[in-house]
Amino acid sequence: AQSVTQLDSHVSVSEGTPVLLRCNYSSSYSPSLFWYVQHPNKGLQLLLKYTSAATLVKGINGFEAEFKKSETSFHLTKPSAHMSDAAEYFCVVSDWTGNQFYFGTGTSLTVIP
Amino acid sequence: DTEVTQTPKHLVMGMTNKKSLKCEQHMGHRAMYWYKQKAKKPPELMFVYSYEKLSINESVPSRFSPECPNSSLLNLHLHALQPEDSALYLCASSRPGTGYWDTEAFFGQGTRLTVV
Repeated sequence: AQSVTQLDSHVSVSEGTPVLLRCNYSSSYSPSLFWYVQHPNKGLQLLLKYTSAATLVKGINGFEAEFKKSETSFHLTKPSAHMSDAAEYFCVVSDWTGNQFYFGTGTSLTVIP
Repeated sequence: DTEVTQTPKHLVMGMTNKKSLKCEQHMGHRAMYWYKQKAKKPPELMFVYSYEKLSINESVPSRFSPECPNSSLLNLHLHALQPEDSALYLCASSRPGTGYWDTEAFFGQGTRLTVV
């Protein structure tokens, strides 16, 4: 069975400082992992995805994530937070068919001016 | 075109009303999904259609009735809803099946439903 655990329900950073949102996964096979962002009352937008190519994945808006098999982690980072990054972030794993997506509980990011 | 379009964006309905939510995509995706999302929670899967056939129904009450008329359209028919059904309803699509296991889901902007 597949699952993801987001280790922080809320993260608060100052504008211009680094962002780290943590995600651990559980999967019986090599997983596909995704990070989505959701701004208030909006749909989900894909930030980046890992699909067993490079372990360091670059996404949109300066976000990156590193797949670490030994730690079963897929943490999301950004060197410098911007006010527009304030949103809810979901770590997601898909099953082997690609037909089901399992969501973490989400991390709410606050950016302080 | 990499969009999933949902209509309407907002819907207010009484508990005796019948209404429908509509979702459309033109990416050639053959899997389409309905999710329900309450405030401050992750989306909860309701239904999955794969090649226009209902493949997953996550024990959703019968007052929610999905329909997939063709490979581009997905509807959710609503009848006799309860106030606790108020939520953001999200539609998504993806490429399903063998060889496409690494595909992401594309989400629409959602329909904000309020049941009064």
